[in-house]
Amino acid sequence: QKEVEQNSGPLSVPEGAIASLNCTYSDRGSQSFFWYRQYSGKSPELIMSIYSNGDKEDGRFTAQLNKASQYVSLLIRDSQPSDSATYLCAVKGNTPLVFGKGTRLSVIA
Amino acid sequence: KAGVTQTPRYLIKTRGQQVTLSCSPISGHRSVSWYQQTPGQGLQFLFEYFSETQRNKGNFPGRFSGRQFSNSRSEMNVSTLELGDSALYLCASSLGDGYTFGSGTRLTVV
Repeated sequence: QKEVEQNSGPLSVPEGAIASLNCTYSDRGSQSFFWYRQYSGKSPELIMSIYSNGDKEDGRFTAQLNKASQYVSLLIRDSQPSDSATYLCAVKGNTPLVFGKGTRLSVIA
Repeated sequence: KAGVTQTPRYLIKTRGQQVTLSCSPISGHRSVSWYQQTPGQGLQFLFEYFSETQRNKGNFPGRFSGRQFSNSRSEMNVSTLELGDSALYLCASSLGDGYTFGSGTRLTVV
């Protein structure tokens, strides 16, 4: 059973702070890693993808991947109240995309 | 460019009935995947189709079935509905690795 684990939260951070979201996965054959954002009552929206070890930056978002530790993280700099949502980690190998249950982030103004 | 279109957006059905949900992928996308999302279980994989062929199937009972047409549109069917089938059903289309989700169909079984 391929698993993706996330802390369910809620993770509360003040506006302007860095939010750090973490994810671990069980399948060492995983090759592609994604972060989705899901607002309440909406469908998941892809915000970051990462395929190789290291950091990948896109605006205020940085994804970090460590395949040896089977660990993926998402940093959100200068957090805004509009970032309040559930963040889903998803992992793909030779199988369909497997999702974690998500971490609920609350950015306090 | 149109996104992934799912119809209907909301459905209320009675236990024992059957239901068919529809998904039209992004133009040019041949891969369509279906997921069930519930508060307790999160997003769980149902099926994946590519060029009318089912490539993968999740761990759901045989009451859940699907198909894909030659124009890449996909349908999923749930027969003999149970209360526990109440969920948000999400369809995603893909050209490669990244999946784009539709708005989902909210199914309530009463």
